[in-house]
Amino acid sequence: SQQGEEDPQALSIQEGENATMNCSYKTSINNLQWYRQNSGRGLVHLILIRSNEREKHSGRLRVTLDTSKKSSSLLITASRAADTASYFCATVNRRALTFGSGTRLQVQP
Amino acid sequence: EAQVTQNPRYLITVTGKKLTVTCSQNMNHEYMSWYRQDPGLGLRQIYYSMNVEVTDKGDVPEGYKVSRKEKRNFPLILESPSPNQTSLYFCASSWGQGANEQYFGPGTRLTVT
Repeated sequence: SQQGEEDPQALSIQEGENATMNCSYKTSINNLQWYRQNSGRGLVHLILIRSNEREKHSGRLRVTLDTSKKSSSLLITASRAADTASYFCATVNRRALTFGSGTRLQVQP
Repeated sequence: EAQVTQNPRYLITVTGKKLTVTCSQNMNHEYMSWYRQDPGLGLRQIYYSMNVEVTDKGDVPEGYKVSRKEKRNFPLILESPSPNQTSLYFCASSWGQGANEQYFGPGTRLTVT
């Protein structure tokens, strides 16, 4: 069963705008990770947030985690055309990693 | 260069013909895993390994086997492939005993006819 579910499934914005993606999950987690995938390629790790953390930043990325609501969000600020990709959240429970079905982001130049 | 390699990258085979997809990492990572990616279903973990000779099932292990005889290698074996195993497969590795930041291979596109 899928643990993480991203919302929205697809998002189209203009360059320079912010993009927000959400992830909901069902069971307790050790950490939550966000990944990016360019079409047909391997995933690239973006950021990891532990269950005892509430917010984390990395460059133009901001991730929040609300364990009481079992949800996380990924904010990409000042988006660029090169940010066009699919974004996945992945939850870690013990040692297994479970991915959601992803959000497809299209940034129009 | 730190990397995860997979071979082959593309494979077309027939039902029932045993195949192995190799995965190798050069980062001395303890944790390795296999995923399959299907449209609308995201990535699903098939098997994972926390270290040499230690493997465990993920969400969709049926029809697959793995082995971890060396730290750097984690082959995925399909003893009798079926058309529902047509998918894009990814190998990944990470340091430590748990699922930390995963480094992914480039993927293997498998078609079973």
